[in-house]
Amino acid sequence: EVQLVQSGAEVKKPGESLKISCKGSGYRFTSYWIGWVRQMPGKGLEWMGIIYPGDSATRYSPSFQGQVTISADKSITTAYLQWSSLKASDTAMYYCARGRGRDGYVGDYWGQGILVTVSS
Amino acid sequence: QSALTQPASVSGSPGQSITISCTGTSSDVGDYNYVSWYQQHPGKAPKLMIYDVTSRPSGVSNRFSGSKSGNTASLTISGLQAEDEADYYCSSYTSSTNVVFGGGTKLTVL
Repeated sequence: EVQLVQSGAEVKKPGESLKISCKGSGYRFTSYWIGWVRQMPGKGLEWMGIIYPGDSATRYSPSFQGQVTISADKSITTAYLQWSSLKASDTAMYYCARGRGRDGYVGDYWGQGILVTVSS
Repeated sequence: QSALTQPASVSGSPGQSITISCTGTSSDVGDYNYVSWYQQHPGKAPKLMIYDVTSRPSGVSNRFSGSKSGNTASLTISGLQAEDEADYYCSSYTSSTNVVFGGGTKLTVL
């Protein structure tokens, strides 16, 4: 059974760093993309970026380029999304999704989401 | 890259059919047959309903179907059921940014 299990909710202060995770299981981790999607409170889905764990190829939405870093450790089948300096506007639910099809554009399995709250 | 355009809301009665549109440009929806649709119930993760414009993942009801004409893709739900009430998002592959989502459509089953 394909599963993506994300780490737990986070509460941080502005300026702090954060790294959240997404562990894949039940499939060959290095053969599928892992994408990250933001959903701000009461808003729609926003595609942030994607990584192919097989060769670490990474692509970012222009809106998120330079704001976050996506990485993966294939030895433990886990992908990461990290911030070096959080802002209040980073408060949102963050989902990871397994990507397939053209450059991983289809999210066929999703993690349960991680709620990140940034508040002073 | 601007988001794809979806109606904010649609509604229908049980048993009826509804269609949700998703309008992009010649750089995304119009240029590729790589459109997908997601269903999201409140407090839940999105669920893939349609990919590659018309394909349904295993386990998704055949009441859900997709199509595309020019720069506009559509999701049709036939035989509406109460459990279909949710938010629906389209997305498209685009060579410039990989993926672009629509703004989402809230479906109400009357």
